[in-house]
Amino acid sequence: DAGVTQSPTHLIKTRGQQVTLRCSPKSGHDTVSWYQQALGQGPQFIFQYYEEEERQRGNFPDRFSGHQFPNYSSELNVNALLLGDSALYLCASRTDMNTEAFFGQGTRLTVV
Amino acid sequence: EDQVTQSPEALRLQEGESSSLNCSYTVSGLRGLFWYRQDPGKGPEFLFTLYSAGEEKEKERLKATLTKKESFLHITAPKPEDSATYLCAVRSNDYKLSFGAGTTVTVRA
Repeated sequence: DAGVTQSPTHLIKTRGQQVTLRCSPKSGHDTVSWYQQALGQGPQFIFQYYEEEERQRGNFPDRFSGHQFPNYSSELNVNALLLGDSALYLCASRTDMNTEAFFGQGTRLTVV
Repeated sequence: EDQVTQSPEALRLQEGESSSLNCSYTVSGLRGLFWYRQDPGKGPEFLFTLYSAGEEKEKERLKATLTKKESFLHITAPKPEDSATYLCAVRSNDYKLSFGAGTTVTVRA
């Protein structure tokens, strides 16, 4: 059983560019959340998707947007990249009735 | 807003030297306290969920306990492969996890 998979694993972008990160949830999971983890910090909640709708959003600007597809996979888009957006971006999935979230291996984004 | 504070920031142990990690939290209505293990450059790996004060869970050399204000992760007779960052998180609604900054544990052989 494949767990949560994210792509790509590493990415280098230039300031001002746009980036799209992808996530496939664990089999049977329908709820996907995205987190940003800066070096030496705990993950920070960006937003959560359920039934293709954004259900809650953390304290992140509108430059961060997302989407969930009918097969429950999800994308995170970040526009007008800043140096401070450099971080490990994590996707987590769970069933809506189950509180335990399982994480992917993350996408390391470096903005130069 | 939910607050999670973990201590110490870093812990260096000799193999076999037992110790405890602390997670203090402030939350309006706890719906779960979670422990994760994270290896460098990887995503967090789920360890335990605790729901109510007095609850305990064990897995190999790890034991997690919960009170109304804090949780402890006890590592008994650690081995080098237990070296990792241990993250604590709380959930107070149906949606997000609020994480602490983690405790980085290094176990020397």
